[in-house]
Amino acid sequence: AQTVTQSQPEMSVQEAETVTLSCTYDTSENNYYLFWYKQPPSRQMILVIRQEAYKQQNATENRFSVNFQKAAKSFSLKISDSQLGDTAMYFCAFMKHVANNDMRFGAGTRLTVKP
Amino acid sequence: GAGVSQSPSNKVTEKGKDVELRCDPISGHTALYWYRQSLGQGLEFLIYFQGNSAPDKSGLPSDRFSAERTGGSVSTLTIQRTQQEDSAVYLCASSDRRTGELFFGEGSRLTVL
Repeated sequence: AQTVTQSQPEMSVQEAETVTLSCTYDTSENNYYLFWYKQPPSRQMILVIRQEAYKQQNATENRFSVNFQKAAKSFSLKISDSQLGDTAMYFCAFMKHVANNDMRFGAGTRLTVKP
Repeated sequence: GAGVSQSPSNKVTEKGKDVELRCDPISGHTALYWYRQSLGQGLEFLIYFQGNSAPDKSGLPSDRFSAERTGGSVSTLTIQRTQQEDSAVYLCASSDRRTGELFFGEGSRLTVL
């Protein structure tokens, strides 16, 4: 079974600064998909960023980027120019393949952006 | 519909009662998931439906929990003889088979007194 580990239960960052959230995973698969989801206090989970394992280039979505290290099975999320609205729980997730998309989540990191 | 719809948003019940939680996925999404999230915690996988295949029930915590998905669309999660430890937010998600992205509902908060 695939496991996803987020070793930082809580983090904080000053507004406008950069923060990196860690995620490691364990799998024997060669091709898979990795995701970061955000859950604000309102509870609705939304996708932040997605990475296919076969792509060497790190995914980027505006202020959000990932550092995907396949050999190390590491998938960290970098948030640049942090905003108050980034305050949320962040979950790292793993999916073996899209055709049989069974997704498993890490325990989450609670991020607080301070003014 | 425009998004994943869950009902009820909040449910308070007495210990020992049965509850049903409903999820209406995004039209055309073949995969549907149920997760449980205790206060401030991560997502605990419960069950996963994919098209007409047999569901993956490996995450259901006990035989008091069951789920069905009728006609490949709406799903109902049933908890029988509820216990206080069942109190949590139950999240439903459906996914786009092309990208694997999960779209979540707002969840059903269950409180067992």
